[in-house]
Amino acid sequence: AQTVTQSQPEMSVQEAETVTLSCTYDTSESDYYLFWYKQPPSRQMILVIRQEAYKQQNATENRFSVNFQKAAKSFSLKISDSQLGDAAMYFCAYRSVLGANSKLTFGKGITLSVRP
Amino acid sequence: GAGVSQSPSNKVTEKGKDVELRCDPISGHTALYWYRQSLGQGLEFLIYFQGNSAPDKSGLPSDRFSAERTGGSVSTLTIQRTQQEDSAVYLCASSPPGQRYGYTFGSGTRLTVV
Repeated sequence: AQTVTQSQPEMSVQEAETVTLSCTYDTSESDYYLFWYKQPPSRQMILVIRQEAYKQQNATENRFSVNFQKAAKSFSLKISDSQLGDAAMYFCAYRSVLGANSKLTFGKGITLSVRP
Repeated sequence: GAGVSQSPSNKVTEKGKDVELRCDPISGHTALYWYRQSLGQGLEFLIYFQGNSAPDKSGLPSDRFSAERTGGSVSTLTIQRTQQEDSAVYLCASSPPGQRYGYTFGSGTRLTVV
């Protein structure tokens, strides 16, 4: 079974600075998908970014980018120019390509606070 | 609909009562998932539907928990004889066919058992 580990329970960043959230995973599969989700206090889970394991190029979405290290099974999220609205809980997730609609396996999440 | 809709948003119930939580997924999304999120914790998988069938119900914590989906659309999660440890946020998500997509989540139902 796959596991996803987010070892930092909390992080803090100064507004306009850059922060990196760590995530590691364990799998024996060679192809899969990785995701970062954001959960603000409203509880609504929002997809931030997605990475396909067979693509070497790191995904980027505006101020959000990932550092995907397949051999190390590491998938960190970098938030540039942090804004107050980035304060939320962030979850890393893994999805197998096996099965018609395999489930997402989530890490325990990290709470990010942004200091004005 | 435009998004995944869950109802009720909040539910307070007495220990021992039964509760039903509803999820209305995005039209055309064949897959539907239920997760549970306890206070400050990650997401615990409960059950997955493909159409009306549930190929994976491995996460249901006990036989007090059951779920169904009708017409390939709305799903209901039922918890019988609720216990205080059932208190959590119950999240529903749907997904179109294919693994490359993530889920679209609803806003969840916060269940409090008193």
